[in-house]
Amino acid sequence: DAGVIQSPRHEVTEMGQEVTLRCKPISGHDYLFWYRQTMMRGLELLIYFNNNVPIDDSGMPEDRFSAKMPNASFSTLKIQPSEPRDSAVYFCASSLRGGLSPTNTIYFGEGSWLTVV
Amino acid sequence: SQKIEQNSEALNIQEGKTATLTCNYTNYSPAYLQWYRQDPGRGPVFLLLIRENEKEKRKERLKVTFDTTLKQSLFHITASQPADSATYLCALTGGSYIPTFGRGTSLIVHP
Repeated sequence: DAGVIQSPRHEVTEMGQEVTLRCKPISGHDYLFWYRQTMMRGLELLIYFNNNVPIDDSGMPEDRFSAKMPNASFSTLKIQPSEPRDSAVYFCASSLRGGLSPTNTIYFGEGSWLTVV
Repeated sequence: SQKIEQNSEALNIQEGKTATLTCNYTNYSPAYLQWYRQDPGRGPVFLLLIRENEKEKRKERLKVTFDTTLKQSLFHITASQPADSATYLCALTGGSYIPTFGRGTSLIVHP
């Protein structure tokens, strides 16, 4: 299995521009997570989906952030407009199970490194 | 508020020694605790899970303890190797079943 695939790996953009991060989860996984990692705040959950439906988006910092999952094999995280404080590593992750279990292993992608200047 | 604390200072040890990393938590009643490894420029990778009613879990050179009274987990790597150098994250799972991660501790094993 190819694992969770994210693109782009690196993105440098100017403040005010729209940023779209993409994710392909592991085939057959029915949970998808978007995390953000910074030195100051560590790894934070932004939103997660179950069977393509957003379940909890309470971690999404502002209305500038939006996430979609149009099908089981694709999700996007969009920031519009972007700001310098959005600079971070954004991880997509997926998990297998018909029902969410505390013993679930979460499989992370390699991350998208975003720099907003 | 819920808090997970891992030592922000890097742990430096000599090859062959046992590395011990600490994860403390407050205002939390986790049912499960997980440890992940993260290499520079990569995503976290799951290592071990321990349940609240388990005192200790082992996997090869790794050992995890979970003390719900002290609200602490210890992560040990015996006979450490330079290849073990990475950041190690603990993650707690409660009723929501979604892990909450600590910031991680960097381990550096010197040859």
